[in-house]
Amino acid sequence: DQQVKQNSPSLSVQEGRISILNCDYTNSMFDYFLWYKKYPAEGPTFLISISSIKDKNEDGRFTVFLNKSAKHLSLHIVPSQPGDSAVYFCAASAIGNQFYFGTGTSLTVIP
Amino acid sequence: DSGVTQTPKHLITATGQRVTLRCSPRSGDLSVYWYQQSLDQGLQFLIQYYNGEERAKGNILERFSAQQFPDLHSELNLSSLELGDSALYFCASSPGTGAYNEQFFGPGTRLTVL
Repeated sequence: DQQVKQNSPSLSVQEGRISILNCDYTNSMFDYFLWYKKYPAEGPTFLISISSIKDKNEDGRFTVFLNKSAKHLSLHIVPSQPGDSAVYFCAASAIGNQFYFGTGTSLTVIP
Repeated sequence: DSGVTQTPKHLITATGQRVTLRCSPRSGDLSVYWYQQSLDQGLQFLIQYYNGEERAKGNILERFSAQQFPDLHSELNLSSLELGDSALYFCASSPGTGAYNEQFFGPGTRLTVL
């Protein structure tokens, strides 16, 4: 049972434009959400997180939005750069327990 | 470089065999996590160790076992291997316990079962 879903396996965006990656979850007990970025032949690296007490967290070009009523979070990258091309995973946890990861979205930023 | 090392990078073996994957956490990190990523799947949490003790268990099969040694490195043992066990296995570490700690991932071990 996939509690965290990323329904878009891939996304292509022009350099300089906004990339929006989406993630849906089913467990209303999730209270902490993260995005990880993964390059080929490397492990995932932490990108940004958000607690359920917030609806937005920003770090440079990366912003994560959380809509608890819709059980939806999104990652915005503005402006997108070719180096952002990677697979992005969202993950969620409930009360400090294990992480549940989505299946990932492969982002390609076209120069 | 996350500071987490995993060996070997690649492993090819036959069904029914047993393999051991090794992970060295970042210096100072006490928690080690193991994940499995099968084709087109997200990372599935297998098990967590904290300072040598099992802390949390996820979807880990009975054929799989793990341990964390006094020097904090960890090993994941996979036995009676099946074709479906072919996957990327990631190890991650964090300073403390609980999912509010950022986890640092190793590069993974790609296991192929023929």
